[in-house]
Amino acid sequence: DAGITQSPRHKVTETGTPVTLRCHQTENHRYMYWYRQDPGHGLRLIHYSYGVKDTDKGEVSDGYSVSRSKTEDFLLTLESATSSQTSVYFCAISPGRSMNTEAFFGQGTRLTVV
Amino acid sequence: DQQVKQNSPSLSVQEGRISILNCDYTNSMFDYFLWYKKYPAEGPTFLISISSIKDKNEDGRFTVFLNKSAKHLSLHIVPSQPGDSAVYFCAASAGYGGSQGNLIFGKGTKLSVKP
Repeated sequence: DAGITQSPRHKVTETGTPVTLRCHQTENHRYMYWYRQDPGHGLRLIHYSYGVKDTDKGEVSDGYSVSRSKTEDFLLTLESATSSQTSVYFCAISPGRSMNTEAFFGQGTRLTVV
Repeated sequence: DQQVKQNSPSLSVQEGRISILNCDYTNSMFDYFLWYKKYPAEGPTFLISISSIKDKNEDGRFTVFLNKSAKHLSLHIVPSQPGDSAVYFCAASAGYGGSQGNLIFGKGTKLSVKP
């Protein structure tokens, strides 16, 4: 299995509380991504990172922030969770910008905001 | 506006027959296309890709066809097996070999292969 771990795997939180999801890799890949998957929407990119402290927004970045202080860790933070952020979140890693056979997704974090 | 469209939410085929999953795109700048397979409670896994300089790419039972003029690609699985039952996502990106743009995913097609 590819060395990518998401934590926690499941979380229930209340509206208005901060939440941080963690993605940890052992592949030393340069690129890391956060996606969300919702019924009827497929996967949508939230933020991505192309190196330590280098991040950029994806198509659905509002309400989310990220940080990457180490190559192996990419954190996704919901500053004040809302019910619309109930989703399954996937982290992905890739050695280059092009997602190909060397890109891997984590197993996902199911987040429920009540 | 959806740039990558998978218009069939589900598909059911008999084991041993061909499965054909379709994908349409609207952005003419897309030049790299991928298919991902996803089982429940797991992350998507890369299946096969194709560059816009090709019209076909084959890997074992899986073949992807690209029709640039129609902005259409399809994934053929022959023969289909029960283990192929999963959700299949089509994805596309712009820039040389997908190196310039982010991946845009379709909504997915759930394939069920019946024994």
